[in-house]
Amino acid sequence: EAGVAQSPRYKIIEKRQSVAFWCNPISGHATLYWYQQILGQGPKLLIQFQNNGVVDDSQLPKDRFSAERLKGVDSTLKIQPAKLEDSAVYLCASSLAGLAGGLNEQFFGPGTRLTVL
Amino acid sequence: AQSVSQHNHHVILSEAASLELGCNYSYGGTVNLFWYVQYPGQHLQLLLKYFSGDPLVKGIKGFEAEFIKSKFSFNLRKPSVQWSDTAEYFCAVSTGGFKTIFGAGTRLFVKA
Repeated sequence: EAGVAQSPRYKIIEKRQSVAFWCNPISGHATLYWYQQILGQGPKLLIQFQNNGVVDDSQLPKDRFSAERLKGVDSTLKIQPAKLEDSAVYLCASSLAGLAGGLNEQFFGPGTRLTVL
Repeated sequence: AQSVSQHNHHVILSEAASLELGCNYSYGGTVNLFWYVQYPGQHLQLLLKYFSGDPLVKGIKGFEAEFIKSKFSFNLRKPSVQWSDTAEYFCAVSTGGFKTIFGAGTRLFVKA
């Protein structure tokens, strides 16, 4: 079974530039998550999708971050414009279902390491 | 606000020593509890999980964790660590709103 795929693996940009990250979850997984992991901290949930609907985006800085999951499969996370404090690893995860306790084990991708100069 | 606290940021042990990593959470409702591990150069992966039933859960590679509801704790244990257990360990709590909150992580280094 293929795991969660993410690209790119690394990205270096200057502040005020734009960047986009892509995630392909495990086939059949209804729930997709984007996390931000700043060095020395645990992953922080940015947005959670159930199929192509948003379940939780309370911690997504909506003035600069956006995410979509068209057709309920792949997802894209965008930052526009980037700030220095956005430097982090962006993790994508998926689970069979996010709304039933026994099914919300999350499978993580390798992450995208973003450096904003 | 809901939170997850991991007591130790860095732990150094010798091989064969016993391990206990603390995890406490603040949430009064029903929770699902997880420990994830990230080995050097690898993805985050699930070590073990608790949803209901026996509060002592067994995971992979000889790890176990005990859910103590009265203490809001879910500590991770292993009786004898190996060099290959060197990794970062994250406690995570999924609450009634189905949001998963992670602790800051504990970096474990096992000396051979």
